Amino acid sequence: NAGVMQNPRHLVRRRGQEARLRCSPMKGHSHVYWYRQLPEEGLKFMVYLQKENIIDESGMPKERFSAEFPKEGPSILRIQQVVRGDSAAYFCASSRNRGLETQYFGPGTRLLVL
Amino acid sequence: TQLLEQSPQFLSIQEGENLTVYCNSSSVFSSLQWYRQEPGEGPVLLVTVVTGGEVKKLKRLTFQFGDARKDSSLHITAAQPGDTGLYLCAGAPGANSKLTFGKGITLSVRP
Repeated sequence: NAGVMQNPRHLVRRRGQEARLRCSPMKGHSHVYWYRQLPEEGLKFMVYLQKENIIDESGMPKERFSAEFPKEGPSILRIQQVVRGDSAAYFCASSRNRGLETQYFGPGTRLLVL
Repeated sequence: TQLLEQSPQFLSIQEGENLTVYCNSSSVFSSLQWYRQEPGEGPVLLVTVVTGGEVKKLKRLTFQFGDARKDSSLHITAAQPGDTGLYLCAGAPGANSKLTFGKGITLSVRP
């Protein structure tokens, strides 16, 4: 049973470009969570999605960031017009159900904005 | 906002030593999880504790959840270089799946 997969593992963008980060949850998991990890800081929750629905986006910046989890295919975290402050590691986690269900993390995407 | 404070922030010890690290909050959590993260990788779940006073053992690692469900400790016996990594605690306030993470404890075990 493959774990959570994220790609790309590393992404370099220039300021103003768009970044697309993909996450394929574990088989049988329909709940996806995105987190951001900045140096010297812990993981910060960004958004929680279930298939085709955004359940909780309270951690998402108001502008330039969006997320989706379509019926088919991976979940996408999209950052438009990236700025240097967006440089971070972005982690995706998935779970089978919500509530106290265990979240399994992917290896992350390291985004570097030049 | 529920905050989790982890201490110490950095710890460097010799192989074979014992250590205890902490995760504290002023808020109550329905469950608390400990993860270990290695450089360039995602966090890997070590344990989930849900009952106040609960103690769980994972080989040389012992996890305890405080009676009031506000704090937790991780004790490692006879640390090994393979224990080196970033240890994160995370709490879930309730049925809401949003996890709140501490900043982590960077552990280095010298051979």
